Amino acid sequence: EIVLTQSPGTLSLSPGERATLSCRASQSVSISFLAWYQQKPGQAPRLLIYGASSRATGIPDRFSGSGSGPDFTLSISRLEPEDFAVYYCQQFGSSLTFGGGTKVEIK
Amino acid sequence: EVQLVESGGGVVRPGGSLRLSCAASGFTFDDYGVSWVRQVPGKGLEWVSGINWNGGSTGYADSVRGRFTISRDNAKNSLYLQMSSLRAEDTALYHCARMGNPNYYNYYMDVWGKGTTVTVS
Repeated sequence: EIVLTQSPGTLSLSPGERATLSCRASQSVSISFLAWYQQKPGQAPRLLIYGASSRATGIPDRFSGSGSGPDFTLSISRLEPEDFAVYYCQQFGSSLTFGGGTKVEIK
Repeated sequence: EVQLVESGGGVVRPGGSLRLSCAASGFTFDDYGVSWVRQVPGKGLEWVSGINWNGGSTGYADSVRGRFTISRDNAKNSLYLQMSSLRAEDTALYHCARMGNPNYYNYYMDVWGKGTTVTVS
């Protein structure tokens, strides 16, 4: 099973700052099979990025994904109040697994 | 509106069984694979099982393989999860999710339902 390790566990930032979230896979993962999700309290997850760097429909361009197996990054260029949430990476190159999540909280 | 609505959750004793359903609307159901993903409150996401567009390909997490069975009825635009030999650790909110490719049981998920709660106690 491919294990995805996300860091940091919690990121404390102010609105307007840049957020950089990391996702490291225990084995190489093709960029085609890496996605990112956002989840707010009481809501279902929302797809942000697929194929490591392609934004899903309706996702603002302040969200960007990069990297290649095993290291991937989700960046949020300027945090808006609605961006404070938990973010998960997911791989589906071998079965399907999620990372443990990074919480982006208001500093 | 594209929508997935889960039902069938509840309280069940350890060792018991439960069947979850997911009703799809607003899109052509058999153009997509679908999955079940669960989440313990306050914890992360865990993929449970997935199925391709015609049911010909299915996959399961190690934690549920042999106890859970995924199926779909395209005529009814519905996805199911038959859960048996339930354990306390199966307690979670269960989401169904549409996947972005019809041919695989494992893919990224672009539409999610709000979930149905299963409590094993």
